[in-house]
Amino acid sequence: GAGVSQSPRYKVAKRGQDVALRCDPISGHVSLFWYQQALGQGPEFLTYFQNEAQLDKSGLPSDRFFAERPEGSVSTLKIQRTQQEDSAVYLCASSLALLDTQYFGPGTRLTVL
Amino acid sequence: EDQVTQSPEALRLQEGESSSLNCSYTVSGLRGLFWYRQDPGKGPEFLFTLYSAGEEKEKERLKATLTKKESFLHITAPKPEDSATYLCAVQFQGAQKLVFGQGTRLTINP
Repeated sequence: GAGVSQSPRYKVAKRGQDVALRCDPISGHVSLFWYQQALGQGPEFLTYFQNEAQLDKSGLPSDRFFAERPEGSVSTLKIQRTQQEDSAVYLCASSLALLDTQYFGPGTRLTVL
Repeated sequence: EDQVTQSPEALRLQEGESSSLNCSYTVSGLRGLFWYRQDPGKGPEFLFTLYSAGEEKEKERLKATLTKKESFLHITAPKPEDSATYLCAVQFQGAQKLVFGQGTRLTINP
């Protein structure tokens, strides 16, 4: 079946621009996670949702980062006033329920110039 | 602070040369340890979950084992297509997020 999909796959932004990254989880998956992966490093947790409720946003690096999942399915990660240090791959993962295996999408590579 | 450390950072083997990758963790309470494979430009691909010390899981040329403080990913007679970055992640009791190590970049030369 279809896995987790993310769009766009690549995004180039000028410093100061706002960006929106989309995640379509596996159908029926209740939990959705966002991670940030710097070059050559392992992914780092940003935030997660159970259905439409955002239960943990402790990993969001600043108040410029905002995530939503209004109908408990598709999620959007928004970054306002992008900075060069925001350049990374943003990974989305979903799981059937909390504590189940997380399955990852291909990621969105964000480059801020 | 809970930490996950993988070693070595990079490993280069000849085809058929078996070896092991290490993942050590400091944690107050482990719920599960996960191994993922990541190819360049792709997201992590799930391999195994281990829950308790002594547990082992196998898939083709890969075998994962778990002790109280570390996990090993053994690769037997590897092939060039096994070349990838292998990521270890830990899920702690009471938490849903995964804490990842920095990965081991494995290269298998033909």
